[in-house]
Amino acid sequence: DVVMIQSPDSLAVSLGERATINCRSSQNVLYRPDGNEYLSWYQLKPGQPPKLLVYWASTREPGVPDRFSGSGSGTDFTLTINRVQAEDAAVYYCEQYYSSPYTFGQGTRLEIK
Amino acid sequence: EEKLVQSGGGLVQPGGSLRLSCVVSGFTFRIHFMDWVRQTPGKGLEWVGRIKDKPNDYGTDYAASVKGRFTISRDDSKNLLSLQMNGLKTEDTAMYYCVRAGYGKGYDRWGQGTLVTVSS
Repeated sequence: DVVMIQSPDSLAVSLGERATINCRSSQNVLYRPDGNEYLSWYQLKPGQPPKLLVYWASTREPGVPDRFSGSGSGTDFTLTINRVQAEDAAVYYCEQYYSSPYTFGQGTRLEIK
Repeated sequence: EEKLVQSGGGLVQPGGSLRLSCVVSGFTFRIHFMDWVRQTPGKGLEWVGRIKDKPNDYGTDYAASVKGRFTISRDDSKNLLSLQMNGLKTEDTAMYYCVRAGYGKGYDRWGQGTLVTVSS
């Protein structure tokens, strides 16, 4: 199984500052037929289903604010939230959908100071 | 509007059975792979299983933790996805979500979730 490890487990960021969440996979998640990294990021808030933020490691889902950006390749990936807003307080998960079983990181809790 | 509306769930004793349903609207259900994902306070998000589309013979795939106990099915004529859960264990207690597997995009549509509690 592909193991996904996120860091840090939690972080506190001041309003308007930048938050950076890292995700490392135990194997490459590059799908060679289309050249995309099969890595996505989700935001989870209490009482709501998870929301897809980024897929293919760096492509923002339509409707997601452009302060959210994904980057990385191979086994190391990053979700960056610029100009953090109060509504960004949530738990963030990375996920690989390259190979079954599809696996998630353990989650990173973002607190807004 | 693309919607996934779930039903079922509730409290069940260990060893019991439960069936979750997910009715889809607003998109062409039959051409999508559909998955179930669950969320637990202790383990976060966990993939449960997948059912593919008709061209892929409705093939299924399951997490090791539920294989042999859970069965995913679909009825494309009714836009209906189902999860039959047998031999439930306390560790199956979770919020269960039906999800659409977008083409190479991850999970781009989610149901509202349904809570399953396994307890005596």
